[in-house]
Amino acid sequence: KQEVTQIPAALSVPEGENLVLNCSFTDSAIYNLQWFRQDPGKGLTSLLLIQSSQREQTSGRLNASLDKSSGRSTLYIAASQPGDSATYLCAVRPGGATNKLIFGTGTLLAVQP
Amino acid sequence: NAGVTQTPKFHILKIGQSMTLQCTQDMNHNYMYWYRQDPGMGLKLIYYSVGAGITDKGEVPNGYNVSRSTTEDFPLRLELAAPSQTSVYFCASSYGPDTQYFGPGTRLTVL
Repeated sequence: KQEVTQIPAALSVPEGENLVLNCSFTDSAIYNLQWFRQDPGKGLTSLLLIQSSQREQTSGRLNASLDKSSGRSTLYIAASQPGDSATYLCAVRPGGATNKLIFGTGTLLAVQP
Repeated sequence: NAGVTQTPKFHILKIGQSMTLQCTQDMNHNYMYWYRQDPGMGLKLIYYSVGAGITDKGEVPNGYNVSRSTTEDFPLRLELAAPSQTSVYFCASSYGPDTQYFGPGTRLTVL
């Protein structure tokens, strides 16, 4: 059974720092992996999607990497800003069962001004 | 485009009552999903649909029903509400198995 873990559960950094959020999954047979941002009381906003054949994706100050063999993905945020404060969730779409996402429990990020 | 819209935003239900959570998308997506998110937890899939007239169970379908009569709408029905169904409910849609787009959520309390 696919399980997704995100560590740490919470992270606080000063503004301007570069940071890395971690996501690990137990079954390397995945179709893709998606990173989301969730603001308090809001829905989820998709940040990046990495297909199983890709190693990384970039969007602005965000860079997501995928290492299927080790069951890991990282989300790198450069030059963090207070506006980056949110919960970051990763979700795996298992291979074969292409109609569901398995979510981690998220990392709550606070960027201090 | 409004994207994915959900109504109501908040609702309080008494134990044993029934209600329908509405979800509509205007992106002509074929796939639609319902998730629930409990405090401090990730999202769990309740039901999904790959097209009008086709629905299937996710991880936690008990106590819920869905229908998909049109491409745009995917309502979630709660029958005989229980306190364990207190949660935030998110609807999402996608074009095939790629990026999912989420609605703002419905915060439901069962007392």
